[in-house]
Amino acid sequence: DAGITQSPRHKVTETGTPVTLRCHQTENHRYMYWYRQDPGHGLRLIHYSYGVKDTDKGEVSDGYSVSRSKTEDFLLTLESATSSQTSVYFCAISGLAGAGASTDTQYFGPGTRLTVL
Amino acid sequence: AQSVAQPEDQVNVAEGNPLTVKCTYSVSGNPYLFWYVQYPNRGLQFLLKYITGDNLVKGSYGFEAEFNKSQTSFHLKKPSALVSDSALYFCAVRDIDSGGYNKLIFGAGTRLAVHP
Repeated sequence: DAGITQSPRHKVTETGTPVTLRCHQTENHRYMYWYRQDPGHGLRLIHYSYGVKDTDKGEVSDGYSVSRSKTEDFLLTLESATSSQTSVYFCAISGLAGAGASTDTQYFGPGTRLTVL
Repeated sequence: AQSVAQPEDQVNVAEGNPLTVKCTYSVSGNPYLFWYVQYPNRGLQFLLKYITGDNLVKGSYGFEAEFNKSQTSFHLKKPSALVSDSALYFCAVRDIDSGGYNKLIFGAGTRLAVHP
């Protein structure tokens, strides 16, 4: 999975509790993304980052926040988890540092399965 | 806005037969198109992409895709299916936000089932 790890891999939590998911890369890619995958919806972009401390919202950002304090780590936080946030969450990276590197192709981590009861 | 559509939720094919997984797109400008595959309990794996040039793009695991501008399609194909090709396949198109940064817009996915 292209040098990308996600932690935890599985989590069960209760409604109203805060949850933080971590994405860690060893590939020195500039761009990082968080998606959620739900049946019938494919992958939907939650937030993305184009550099340290530079982030922006995707199409389903409500209820989520992110932080990127260093190149290799991108954190996704659910401030107060709800049952509608039960999903599988994927991190992706793109844009290997260096001249001529393509920023188009994204490489995905193994995913985190989150269940909110 | 850029978008892709995968009109089939599931495709069934017998092992050894050719397979096609369909994707149509809607973009402004030149399309950058991608195919990804997802095996059970795994992340998405990149198969191939079209940016420019030859309309037939070859990718990993013997897959190829045909770009057709007049039909706005980018169908994934393989001449001879294997049982191990059974997986979830996603088509995606590149989008660019107001800051000039790349994003991918994904289709809903097509489940391919290859029967022995």
